[in-house]
Amino acid sequence: DAGVIQSPRHEVTEMGQEVTLRCKPISGHDYLFWYRQTMMRGLELLIYFNNNVPIDDSGMPEDRFSAKMPNASFSTLKIQPSEPRDSAVYFCASSLASLFNEQYFGPGTRLTVT
Amino acid sequence: KNEVEQSPQNLTAQEGEFITINCSYSVGISALHWLQQHPGGGIVSLFMLSSGKKKHGRLIATINIQEKHSSLHITASHPRDSAVYICAVRLIQGAQKLVFGQGTRLTINP
Repeated sequence: DAGVIQSPRHEVTEMGQEVTLRCKPISGHDYLFWYRQTMMRGLELLIYFNNNVPIDDSGMPEDRFSAKMPNASFSTLKIQPSEPRDSAVYFCASSLASLFNEQYFGPGTRLTVT
Repeated sequence: KNEVEQSPQNLTAQEGEFITINCSYSVGISALHWLQQHPGGGIVSLFMLSSGKKKHGRLIATINIQEKHSSLHITASHPRDSAVYICAVRLIQGAQKLVFGQGTRLTINP
């Protein structure tokens, strides 16, 4: 298996633009997680899905952030409009069976908002 | 005070030394997770613990639920162990989201 795939790997955009991050989980995994990592706050869980259904989005910072999982092999995290404070590395991870089984992380998307 | 505290924040050691990284938490949890983040940024899951001890190669993780403390040990450390090690806990109450420590940056010199 190719592992968790994220795209793009790097994104530079201007404040106010819409940003869409993409994730393909490992085939057969039924949990998908979106995380954000910054120097100040470390690693934070934003939202996670089980069988394509959002289970907990309490980590999503504000309404500018939205996430979807239209099918078992694809998820998006959208920021609209983007702000400089959204600059971070965004990780997607997937796992089998439960929130706390081993999670497999994607390589991350480094987002810079200028 | 953060719910999950790691110590030390930074650790430098010589190749071959025995390494211990600590994680303390202040809330009730159902399980604890150790992650490794490589210098290139990739994150790998090392262990998930709900009690006792787990071993994988040169890595050993222990947890004491009563004392709300976990340790990650590395025996015969090697420069390739240089990475950031992150502790994460799954809360019993609330939304059962994962809460992360700030990480411990480990550098092993040859």
